[in-house]
Amino acid sequence: TQLLEQSPQFLSIQEGENLTVYCNSSSVFSSLQWYRQEPGEGPVLLVTVVTGGEVKKLKRLTFQFGDARKDSSLHITAAQPGDTGLYLCAGGRYNNNDMRFGAGTRLTVKP
Amino acid sequence: KAGVTQTPRYLIKTRGQQVTLSCSPISGHRSVSWYQQTPGQGLQFLFEYFSETQRNKGNFPGRFSGRQFSNSRSEMNVSTLELGDSALYLCASSSNQGEQYFGPGTRLTVT
Repeated sequence: TQLLEQSPQFLSIQEGENLTVYCNSSSVFSSLQWYRQEPGEGPVLLVTVVTGGEVKKLKRLTFQFGDARKDSSLHITAAQPGDTGLYLCAGGRYNNNDMRFGAGTRLTVKP
Repeated sequence: KAGVTQTPRYLIKTRGQQVTLSCSPISGHRSVSWYQQTPGQGLQFLFEYFSETQRNKGNFPGRFSGRQFSNSRSEMNVSTLELGDSALYLCASSSNQGEQYFGPGTRLTVT
């Protein structure tokens, strides 16, 4: 059983559409990170959120940390083919280097 | 700054053999974490080293071990390889702020 549940597991959309992916847990995290991973490469850190209710924007990507620090969402506006990849969330519980990862959402954006 | 480097990038071994993977963290980072990534289990935490000491450990058998050197470079070793050990092994280095930066990984295939 994953400590962090990500949904949906797979998502295939057309270029220009909006989407939201979710990361949920019954545990409280001191911080939560989102990564994007492309085939054959390691995950690349997108953002870290640490405060309950925090919202961070990174161009067309909006990240939100739940008020109780148990869940997070990633919203992408006007998706582009370059957004294709595996989106992973990771929660820090005891210290920031003991990270637990969700299984990921595999996003495909078709041109 | 140079990123995290891992060697080798690809490795093919036979069941029963042992393997050593190497990771060089970002300059100035003292924490190195290792993860195993498989399609079925996702990203799973193996262990973390900080200042040459293992600070955290995941739920893997004793066949998986690691160490860290005084220059923060780290190695992980897997003995008596099994088919199920085939995976992408990722190393991540962390700064004092706790954000993790991943290397490209070592793709291990056990035949």
